[in-house]
Amino acid sequence: GQQVMQIPQYQHVQEGEDFTTYCNSSTTLSNIQWYKQRPGGHPVFLIQLVKSGEVKKQKRLTFQFGEAKKNSSLHITATQTTDVGTYFCAGHRNQFYFGTGTSLTVIP
Amino acid sequence: EAGVAQSPRYKIIEKRQSVAFWCNPISGHATLYWYQQILGQGPKLLIQFQNNGVVDDSQLPKDRFSAERLKGVDSTLKIQPAKLEDSAVYLCASSLTGSSTGASPLHFGNGTRLTVT
Repeated sequence: GQQVMQIPQYQHVQEGEDFTTYCNSSTTLSNIQWYKQRPGGHPVFLIQLVKSGEVKKQKRLTFQFGEAKKNSSLHITATQTTDVGTYFCAGHRNQFYFGTGTSLTVIP
Repeated sequence: EAGVAQSPRYKIIEKRQSVAFWCNPISGHATLYWYQQILGQGPKLLIQFQNNGVVDDSQLPKDRFSAERLKGVDSTLKIQPAKLEDSAVYLCASSLTGSSTGASPLHFGNGTRLTVT
């Protein structure tokens, strides 16, 4: 069945360091969305990528969709304590398949 | 705009008991989803409604879980009887369009944290 994996599962960084999470699907996706879930909170939509090779930026966050539309990445430049949370990708192929998530801890 | 409303926020029951969760989506959102999120995992889709019709319930354990959206607005999810492995957060989400296009972001409610003892 459809699987969406994310690595790493956990990441601890010093404030100011960069952070990257990778999302890989076993099958080609029609599009992919990224969500952030703060501790004790619910997932909040960040962005959607649709086109092969697409790159989008939101301030310090850069999102990429692979050429084969089977993988994606989220890169955060110069992390801040407000970036703490779990980042999920959600690949779409008939329905949304959420990844396993990457939990980010930022050490002040 | 008002967000997705869910209740209750927390529920503790014993195994073999029944429980129901309620969700009111964002006004105008035709599609409603119920997800199960086990601690440390990503949300897993249980059921998706388009207006009052079921689009996908392939991952719903139908021997114990049921859901309805009778008037195409709010929805209830029921578990009867509950098992220990049902302990999780149950998230309701809504979107403007269905996931057949994947064009609309999902708006999640705060969820119901269920503990089965």
